Amino acid sequence: QKEVEQDPGPLSVPEGAIVSLNCTYSNSAFQYFMWYRQYSRKGPELLMYTYSSGNKEDGRFTAQVDKSSKYISLFIRDSQPSDSATYLCAMSAGNTGKLIFGQGTTLQVKP
Amino acid sequence: DGGITQSPKYLFRKEGQNVTLSCEQNLNHDAMYWYRQDPGQGLRLIYYSQIVNDFQKGDIAEGYSVSREKKESFPLTVTSAQKNPTAFYLCASSTAALNTEAFFGQGTRLTVV
Repeated sequence: QKEVEQDPGPLSVPEGAIVSLNCTYSNSAFQYFMWYRQYSRKGPELLMYTYSSGNKEDGRFTAQVDKSSKYISLFIRDSQPSDSATYLCAMSAGNTGKLIFGQGTTLQVKP
Repeated sequence: DGGITQSPKYLFRKEGQNVTLSCEQNLNHDAMYWYRQDPGQGLRLIYYSQIVNDFQKGDIAEGYSVSREKKESFPLTVTSAQKNPTAFYLCASSTAALNTEAFFGQGTRLTVV
């Protein structure tokens, strides 16, 4: 079993839809949770960063962490065609030097 | 402009050859990392370095080597011992070990011909 599981999709939605992206994990030591967005043939860029449990909002993006269920989510409101990309969840146990990534979910937002 | 620069963007290697991928950062970050990305597998950690002149193996270090002689630079050598080197390679850096934001370069696509 992989430490981090992410549905690879692809996920296709109409413009304006609410998108939910999810990851599950098995290592209860993970404390730092991140979502990266990666456009085709580019490096990933950090979207959201959360520590421990709870919600964090930034514009149209909301990240949720539920440590009791070992489950994290990224919600995108009013999705735009420019949101079409691969979204990678990532998590770390802290000062270990290792950031573990999910497989990535490919999202397409159709105009 | 502050950031991470990877070069070259595309690299072709003949079987049996060693090749070196460059990664330079001007963010004054202590920690640097190399990841490999294959379709459907996310990013897998090859090597990481938290300080100059020190580095550790990641999950898939076999067939790769690195050096960290300068804070700004963390080159990755793909040796002939790496059996399946064709992939997209990403370099990243952060202010400390990976519990803070990691910034990525634009990647190098290596193809064995």
